[in-house]
Amino acid sequence: RKEVEQDPGPFNVPEGATVAFNCTYSNSASQSFFWYRQDCRKEPKLLMSVYSSGNEDGRFTAQLNRASQYISLLIRDSKLSDSATYLCVVTPDNYGQNFVFGPGTRLSVLP
Amino acid sequence: NAGVTQTPKFRVLKTGQSMTLLCAQDMNHEYMYWYRQDPGMGLRLIHYSVGEGTTAKGEVPDGYNVSRLKKQNFLLGLESAAPSQTSVYFCASSYSQVDIQYFGAGTRLSVL
Repeated sequence: RKEVEQDPGPFNVPEGATVAFNCTYSNSASQSFFWYRQDCRKEPKLLMSVYSSGNEDGRFTAQLNRASQYISLLIRDSKLSDSATYLCVVTPDNYGQNFVFGPGTRLSVLP
Repeated sequence: NAGVTQTPKFRVLKTGQSMTLLCAQDMNHEYMYWYRQDPGMGLRLIHYSVGEGTTAKGEVPDGYNVSRLKKQNFLLGLESAAPSQTSVYFCASSYSQVDIQYFGAGTRLSVL
């Protein structure tokens, strides 16, 4: 099993739709979790960190479920500008390990 | 507000040629990383550094060498390029190993 898995998509949704992505991770000792966004042919950029209590930033909500070892990203009221690939990122533990990136989920928001 | 700067942005090499990719960061970060990104495979860590003068192997280090002679710079070298090294290379830096990583704009390398 890969360390971090994501549904590659693509998810094609109309403007204004709500869309959710899941990401599963295999290491139960994982400590930090992030969602990054990557536009076509550009570098990844941090979208949001994922906290144990869940967190929200405008139209974006991130949740962590440690028992089932997955994190989720919910995007409400999708905009055309949300079209991108969303990368799930996990740090296995707080000592001696590096980020593990998921393969990404591609989102296309259609007019 | 430069952040992480990579040079060059594009490069075409012939098999067997060598080259060095430069990464520079102005955020005084201790940690620096080199990744490669291939279609459908996500970002894979090549080498990383936890401070000036240190380097360590990542997931896919073979065929690459690195150096961190100055805190702000992290160099990635290909001694004898192979077509399998055709990829997009990203450099990143962070304050700590579990902190947010900031990425450069990437280098698109083709090896013919």
